[in-house]
Amino acid sequence: DTGVSQNPRHKITKRGQNVTFRCDPISEHNRLYWYRQTLGQGPEFLTYFQNEAQLEKSRLLSDRFSAERPKGSFSTLEIQRTEQGDSAMYLCASSTARTDSGANVLTFGAGSRLTVL
Amino acid sequence: AQSVSQHNHHVILSEAASLELGCNYSYGGTVNLFWYVQYPGQHLQLLLKYFSGDPLVKGIKGFEAEFIKSKFSFNLRKPSVQWSDTAEYFCAVNAGYGNKLVFGAGTILRVKS
Repeated sequence: DTGVSQNPRHKITKRGQNVTFRCDPISEHNRLYWYRQTLGQGPEFLTYFQNEAQLEKSRLLSDRFSAERPKGSFSTLEIQRTEQGDSAMYLCASSTARTDSGANVLTFGAGSRLTVL
Repeated sequence: AQSVSQHNHHVILSEAASLELGCNYSYGGTVNLFWYVQYPGQHLQLLLKYFSGDPLVKGIKGFEAEFIKSKFSFNLRKPSVQWSDTAEYFCAVNAGYGNKLVFGAGTILRVKS
């Protein structure tokens, strides 16, 4: 297992275009999280899944953003009608749903950097 | 809502100096606390975590952190920093099983050789 994988690593797009990011979590992890990070800030929570169920969404996740995890494995994050303010690093993380001290230890991917021109 | 405050955004130290990075959180209940590190060009990695028990926790690369419940603090320390510790450090809190981590804004540490 090579950890959490994210694609593409970089995406440059024009304002108004749609973009999609993919995350492949660690195979035995049933929780998957999306975060957004801008310069000078820590990661901000967007949404998370347990298996295929989307259990929580942040208010940051406007109606232009949609995330899916159709089979409880990989996930996609789509941004429609991108705006310049969407430029950020989009991070994916995964974890187990154990109840011991291993719970909620998030393993992060390298991120997908979005630049909206 | 939970929040995390990191006291310094930039810290510059010489090699062998001692390090302490402050972290305070706002949440009155049971918390899990974390420090993550991001080395230049790399992804976020777990440095150490506190779930319960001994409030002094040790992590990788000689780092430790102390949970002081009365002060809502979880400060990161290292007795003697190395040039390779140059990185950005993030404090994070999780206030319940299954919930997301809330991160602080990060502290950029630069160690001069």
